[in-house]
Amino acid sequence: GENVEQHPSTLSVQEGDSAVIKCTYSDSASNYFPWYKQELGKGPQLIIDIRSNVGEKKDQRIAVTLNKTAKHFSLHITETQPEDSAVYFCAASTPGNKLTFGGGTRVLVKP
Amino acid sequence: DTAVSQTPKYLVTQMGNDKSIKCEQNLGHDTMYWYKQDSKKFLKIMFSYNNKELIINETVPNRFSPKSPDKAHLNLHINSLELGDSAVYFCASSQGGGGWRTDTQYFGPGTRLTVL
Repeated sequence: GENVEQHPSTLSVQEGDSAVIKCTYSDSASNYFPWYKQELGKGPQLIIDIRSNVGEKKDQRIAVTLNKTAKHFSLHITETQPEDSAVYFCAASTPGNKLTFGGGTRVLVKP
Repeated sequence: DTAVSQTPKYLVTQMGNDKSIKCEQNLGHDTMYWYKQDSKKFLKIMFSYNNKELIINETVPNRFSPKSPDKAHLNLHINSLELGDSAVYFCASSQGGGGWRTDTQYFGPGTRLTVL
């Protein structure tokens, strides 16, 4: 089955700096890669996603890149703000919507 | 206008008891899911139902039984609760989920289950 590795497990950045989280996946059949943000006591919320026919996608301060050949994808957050502090999860989905999550990255943005 | 809702939010119970968690979505989606998040925050899919039909059934003890009375509801019943069942359980839904589709999954707020 699919295996998703996520790094780093924790990330501390100064407000205004950029944050980068990297994930690798194992199943070449995976074709959909969402990123979720989970705040304390809440459910995961989708922040951005990318499909396998696209190499890069951007939404304001958030961008995601996908390298299908290398089977890795990354989340980039620019101009970080304290409200970006949360746990971020990458995931990979094979056709049929079976999502496999990475282990999560706890991001702390220091004011 | 809660999209995916779960009840209860917290559930504290004794070992050996039977409990249920309810989930409802008002998004008109065809597919619903149950995930388990352990103490290390690892999220893993347990079940998926598409139009009341079970389509994903991961390696989960048969003490866990999902039930979908209609496509807007997916409940999770757990028999003979064990200490290791303590976790946060999330319900999610997506527009599709069968065949070759991969649609965005929207998560509920979670139910924190504590087994004493």
